[in-house]
Amino acid sequence: GENVEQHPSTLSVQEGDSAVIKCTYSDSASNYFPWYKQELGKGPQLIIDIRSNVGEKKDQRIAVTLNKTAKHFSLHITETQPEDSAVYFCAPPRRSMRFGAGTRLTVKP
Amino acid sequence: DAGVIQSPRHEVTEMGQEVTLRCKPISGHNSLFWYRQTMMRGLELLIYFNNNVPIDDSGMPEDRFSAKMPNASFSTLKIQPSEPRDSAVYFCASSLSTGWDSPLHFGNGTRLTVT
Repeated sequence: GENVEQHPSTLSVQEGDSAVIKCTYSDSASNYFPWYKQELGKGPQLIIDIRSNVGEKKDQRIAVTLNKTAKHFSLHITETQPEDSAVYFCAPPRRSMRFGAGTRLTVKP
Repeated sequence: DAGVIQSPRHEVTEMGQEVTLRCKPISGHNSLFWYRQTMMRGLELLIYFNNNVPIDDSGMPEDRFSAKMPNASFSTLKIQPSEPRDSAVYFCASSLSTGWDSPLHFGNGTRLTVT
């Protein structure tokens, strides 16, 4: 089945800089777009989500934007901190699909 | 809330042995999911249940894999016989519903090594 395409696969930023991760999907029926963060030795944890009737959602330093026309949604992290270092996943539009390979974010102090 | 609880955290076994992974979902969640994570294939769905009934097991790789959910608070994933290529981290997750607009709550996984 189709998967989501996530870019980049790795991202290294300096503490305080911003990080942007993008996911592209092909299922027009998708209406829910969550982002998960996975720290070493733990399961993925939801950090933010957005529904298709909203273009942007913010939660402190984290934001998600959605472009339904272009079929992509992005995770934005501002003022990055070392504890933001983790693997980030966007979820596929259907349960049966595989998650993307994720983006490994490294925030250098 | 205790979150999703998985056991054991680590399992090392020899090829051919039976392996049983356990999961306790969050109380009140109606849906339970089993995922497998590897470097090669990423995070893939194996099977999911709604109200203790298996809904989609198309992700189960082979007949060697089986899953049960005898009640709302417990599920098992069994591999018999195990093979080295089954080595992976297995995650259990629960959610309020199988609807895709319901967030997943993952446990911390079971790291399985088959030698």
